[in-house]
Amino acid sequence: GAGVSQSPRYKVAKRGQDVALRCDPISGHVSLFWYQQALGQGPEFLTYFQNEAQLDKSGLPSDRFFAERPEGSVSTLKIQRTQQEDSAVYLCASSLVGDNEKLFFGSGTQLSVL
Amino acid sequence: GIQVEQSPPDLILQEGANSTLRCNFSDSVNNLQWFHQNPWGQLINLFYIPSGTKQNGRLSATTVATERYSLLYISSSQTTDSGVYFCAVPLTGGGNKLTFGTGTQLKVEL
Repeated sequence: GAGVSQSPRYKVAKRGQDVALRCDPISGHVSLFWYQQALGQGPEFLTYFQNEAQLDKSGLPSDRFFAERPEGSVSTLKIQRTQQEDSAVYLCASSLVGDNEKLFFGSGTQLSVL
Repeated sequence: GIQVEQSPPDLILQEGANSTLRCNFSDSVNNLQWFHQNPWGQLINLFYIPSGTKQNGRLSATTVATERYSLLYISSSQTTDSGVYFCAVPLTGGGNKLTFGTGTQLKVEL
């Protein structure tokens, strides 16, 4: 596709519900990242895939957060038993492989946990 | 970990004015990117600029890696330039596992 696509754009969940957020990266981009952005803050790294391999998940805040990219393209970020502190914008980004490539972000999913 | 600070935190300009935004980082880097987050939340990559100078239309950026800072110049500002400007550098080593600066909130008024 022309850009990084994320869905849904908005998600409201009751505390304790599970949610799944989808990311479709730019075609041909090997690297895929998930970031979390709290209100008024910059994005913070969550996890990184190269193709289907999750190479770094050091930013995931708890074991309730799980990400996958089974075929090396579309990725899903799953949050189990959502808590109010999970409310944030979840941003997906992709880039070509390598250290010297620009990072391109999707529009994000705004998650509100009530 | 590496620290990234931006200044000024807030900036109000009249349309047509020029401005300079600054990004200071605490350690050497091989990757620095500038982003614009528009009022609808979309993050747009403006520059990948680990060193040197680049220009794109009314925007240009300069990174002096040896002195650990980068500057973003906006000339002839327009209302569509409003939003938050972030610089970002790698958390560790290289790559796009980035840490973002504190941001500069820009508002351009008619």
